Amino acid sequence: DGGITQSPKYLFRKEGQNVTLSCEQNLNHDAMYWYRQDPGQGLRLIYYSQIVNDFQKGDIAEGYSVSREKKESFPLTVTSAQKNPTAFYLCASSLTPGYGYTFGSGTRLTVV
Amino acid sequence: GENVEQHPSTLSVQEGDSAVIKCTYSDSASNYFPWYKQELGKGPQLIIDIRSNVGEKKDQRIAVTLNKTAKHFSLHITETQPEDSAVYFCAATNSNSGYALNFGKGTSLLVTP
Repeated sequence: DGGITQSPKYLFRKEGQNVTLSCEQNLNHDAMYWYRQDPGQGLRLIYYSQIVNDFQKGDIAEGYSVSREKKESFPLTVTSAQKNPTAFYLCASSLTPGYGYTFGSGTRLTVV
Repeated sequence: GENVEQHPSTLSVQEGDSAVIKCTYSDSASNYFPWYKQELGKGPQLIIDIRSNVGEKKDQRIAVTLNKTAKHFSLHITETQPEDSAVYFCAATNSNSGYALNFGKGTSLLVTP
């Protein structure tokens, strides 16, 4: 079955450590996105990529980094520069930019 | 950039009643407006969408209306059922944002039996 997989589902890290969240899709979608979700804040765009080897910053990119070396993969690194990294992170992909997003099931990151 | 406002933040209805969630957007260039449903601990799922060249779209018990002049769009759920209880998000997009979706803050809908 085609879909988008985020791993792990839960992630715990110590403050000051970098951590990488995985996002893989087998839908043959060109565009991929990372959103952060906090209670009462909706979904805020971190980074997006419309094509391999290219990506753009979203509204809250500070403290995050991404790569897009393969069409199927769009990993997100939460760096120690991110002030409040504890959140629910959602990855999505779409065949055409902006239309018909398919979301992963999310990674809940807790930094202690 | 695009700013999407969503109201109400919480909505409680009795089973069988209708529910309406409203959103406004700021960028007149926005041309695509999807609605997503998110159940607890899961990723959002697309339930209906509308493009700017259409005023209304229906899919069984759900419908979306768009008023481009006023820059607002609404989700209507009729004959609500307990399984409709979830968080609903509206979104808007256009070429100015690279076609990445800008989301509202969500509406938590509770349908009581």
